[in-house]
Amino acid sequence: QVQLVESGGGVVQPETSLRLSCAASGFTFRDYKMHWVRQTPGKGLEWLALISHDGNNKDYADSVKGRFTISRDNSKNTVYLQMNSLRDEDSAVYYCELDTLGHWGQGTLVTVSS
Amino acid sequence: QSVLTQPPSASGTPGQKVTISCSGSSSNIGIHYVYWYQQLPGTAPKLLIYRSNQRPSGVPDRFSASKSGTSASLAISGLRSEDEADYYCAAWDDSLNGQVFGAGTNVIVL
Repeated sequence: QVQLVESGGGVVQPETSLRLSCAASGFTFRDYKMHWVRQTPGKGLEWLALISHDGNNKDYADSVKGRFTISRDNSKNTVYLQMNSLRDEDSAVYYCELDTLGHWGQGTLVTVSS
Repeated sequence: QSVLTQPPSASGTPGQKVTISCSGSSSNIGIHYVYWYQQLPGTAPKLLIYRSNQRPSGVPDRFSASKSGTSASLAISGLRSEDEADYYCAAWDDSLNGQVFGAGTNVIVL
């Protein structure tokens, strides 16, 4: 059974950094692309980033390009989202998503506030 | 404004069938799989449909989906009170080079 567990969220000040993790199980992690998506009450669901199965190819939404970095460690079945220069508008629940099969984790809340 | 267009709400009485539409374009639904998610209040979105019409194990067959051209739809038959939730569609978009979503449809069981 596919399971995705996000962690690393919290309350941080603007212009600081945070790294989110997503631990995967129940499928052959190294065979699948992975995404990060976020949800806010105001903007709804927003796709953020995609990483290829081997980590060699990455795509980003314009809203986070240059500030966020997606990466993965296939030996640990984990995908990461490094978030730098955080802004108030980055406050959201962040989810990792399994490509093609579509499963999401339970999310981790990030609050950016001074 | 969302790339995929869904009605903001839909409703039905217990036992009825409710259908939710999701309208896109040739760069998203027209050429890519559609995914549907159910989100109960205060919880994470739960996968209902993947690859346009496939149900993950554990999802009741009351939920079904289809795709035609640049539109997709989710049908809930035998509506139950526990189906009250927000429903979202999603697809990859080649023009935007990213995943796009609908704004969600709130299903109300009368």
